[in-house]
Amino acid sequence: GQSLEQPSEVTAVEGAIVQINCTYQTSGFYGLSWYQQHDGGAPTFLSYNALDGLEETGRFSSFLSRSDSYGYLLLQELQMKDSASYFCAVISGNTPLVFGKGTRLSVIA
Amino acid sequence: DGGITQSPKYLFRKEGQNVTLSCEQNLNHDAMYWYRQDPGQGLRLIYYSQIVNDFQKGDIAEGYSVSREKKESFPLTVTSAQKNPTAFYLCASSTRTIGDIQPQHFGDGTRLSIL
Repeated sequence: GQSLEQPSEVTAVEGAIVQINCTYQTSGFYGLSWYQQHDGGAPTFLSYNALDGLEETGRFSSFLSRSDSYGYLLLQELQMKDSASYFCAVISGNTPLVFGKGTRLSVIA
Repeated sequence: DGGITQSPKYLFRKEGQNVTLSCEQNLNHDAMYWYRQDPGQGLRLIYYSQIVNDFQKGDIAEGYSVSREKKESFPLTVTSAQKNPTAFYLCASSTRTIGDIQPQHFGDGTRLSIL
């Protein structure tokens, strides 16, 4: 089967940097995606990594290490509006996208 | 603008009643999905469809049924066999289901509660 592990909660200060980790177990791995979901809202796509290394999109970056089955989402210059849940999701050649349970990020002043 | 429309936003079910949640997309996507989300939980896959007139069970299909008669539409029926239906239901679509690097697009969800 497939499984993903990510911390349930993270708290960080406005303006700071926070890293949300994700480890996964899967077969037929294609890549790792990240989604953001504000309370009561729909998940929205943030990033995708298929190859090892860092992908940067504005204040958000995502990293993947295929050999370690590990990735992380890095949020810089945190803003209050970044308070949300963040989900990692595995893309494989065997099944549809599988989501982790999510990390609830609270940004405090 | 292209997107996914879910209706209704809120839905209440009586004991023993079947209810149907609507999902329509105009993104011309082949693949569509239904997820269930419980408080503090991730998204669990109920059903997915790769093409019209075909659909597959996800991890928690018991007590649910779907149809895919049109490419644009993928309604979900929560049957009376689903004893704990209270949850947030999300519909999504993408270009295809397996090995799809393109992102899934989500509707705004339907919140279902038991009366």
